[in-house]
Amino acid sequence: EAGVTQFPSHSVIEKGQTVTLRCDPISGHDNLYWYRRVMGKEIKFLLHFVKESKQDESGMPNNRFLAERTGGTYSTLKVQPAELEDSGVYFCASSLTGQETQYFGPGTRLLVL
Amino acid sequence: GDSVTQMEGPVTLSEEAFLTINCTYTATGYPSLFWYVQYPGEGLQLLLKATKADDKGSNKGFEATYRKETTSFHLEKGSVQVSDSAVYFCALPAYNQGGKLIFGQGTELSVKP
Repeated sequence: EAGVTQFPSHSVIEKGQTVTLRCDPISGHDNLYWYRRVMGKEIKFLLHFVKESKQDESGMPNNRFLAERTGGTYSTLKVQPAELEDSGVYFCASSLTGQETQYFGPGTRLLVL
Repeated sequence: GDSVTQMEGPVTLSEEAFLTINCTYTATGYPSLFWYVQYPGEGLQLLLKATKADDKGSNKGFEATYRKETTSFHLEKGSVQVSDSAVYFCALPAYNQGGKLIFGQGTELSVKP
């Protein structure tokens, strides 16, 4: 069974540019989460999808971040325009409904210069 | 609100040394507790978990006991190996918030031969 995959693995962009991160969850997992780790600090929750619906987006830092999950399969997280403080590692995780264990992807390392 | 506090790193040990990484938490109710690990260049992996007080989670020689009285979930290993070098994260699901995880700041472990 394929795990959670994320693309790209690394992205280096300039301030003001746009970047789109993609996450493919484990097949059949209705729950999809985005998290971010900035500068070696704790991993922080960004948002949670149940199928295609946003269940909780309380962790989204501001309106420069837009997440979608069309059709309830893969998800994208777009940052537009990117700022220096957006640099960090963005993790995606998925889980089955009713299961606590979340399965994480390898992360996307974003560097905004 | 719910929170997790981990001992700060980095921690450097010699091979075969004893490892303890402290983790304390504040939480509503009695959530499950998790340790995740991130090996260099890889994503987060679930290392072990405990679902109720006095439960001991174990995996790959690592152990952690859910201590309700001290609100702790310290990670231990009797004899570390170079391959254990990684970043370790303690986490718990936020109460009644759709399963989103709250993480500690992570502890980087480096094991020298």
